[in-house]
Amino acid sequence: SYVLAQPPSVSVAPGQTARITCGGNNIGRISVHWYQQKPGQAPVLVVYDDFDRPSGIPERFAGSHSGNTATLTISRVEAGDEADYYCQVWDTSSDHYVFGTGTKVTVL
Amino acid sequence: EVQLVQSGAEVKKPGESLKISCTVSGYSFPTYWIGWVRQMPGKGLEWMGIIFPADSDTRYSPSFQGQVTISADKSISTAYLQWSSLRASDTAIYYCAKTRITGTYLGGIDSWGQGTLVTVSS
Repeated sequence: SYVLAQPPSVSVAPGQTARITCGGNNIGRISVHWYQQKPGQAPVLVVYDDFDRPSGIPERFAGSHSGNTATLTISRVEAGDEADYYCQVWDTSSDHYVFGTGTKVTVL
Repeated sequence: EVQLVQSGAEVKKPGESLKISCTVSGYSFPTYWIGWVRQMPGKGLEWMGIIFPADSDTRYSPSFQGQVTISADKSISTAYLQWSSLRASDTAIYYCAKTRITGTYLGGIDSWGQGTLVTVSS
């Protein structure tokens, strides 16, 4: 099964930039989606199809990918961005979605 | 407004059966794939499987194939996740989740249920 590796944690000061990576074999060739999950809440889609944002998601959230790494970049980080973030792809070899291991973003 | 409303929390004993539900409104239930996600206590998201209510085409993650059954009833816009014999390791929050694009499971998930906590303990 396809494996997506994320760093367990990222710490960032308010106003700075957080970068969350998602590593997978040739991930640059498939669509990546990103979700934010705050404690006690259901996940929320923040980026779909690599770099598109749903309505209501600030431009501060930006997705990119190349080669074996996809990246979610959060610019001008705010206290409200503190959450767990998960990447997701569709594994065509076994016909199911796969989530990354998750990254906890802490705002210092 | 799209809404996915899940059934309430359950407390069960090992070996018991269980069926939880996800009733949707605000969109055409048959034409969007709907999936289930497990989140064990303090852990990450795990994809379980997905169903297309129009024809009940179902795809399971290998980790959950044979462990659970996903079904849907178009007449009442409801998806289900069921177990025939629960284990303590099934203790988790289970989310239902609607795909973003009609007719395809690709494109990500744009709407989630509130989650159902299942506790399995003797």
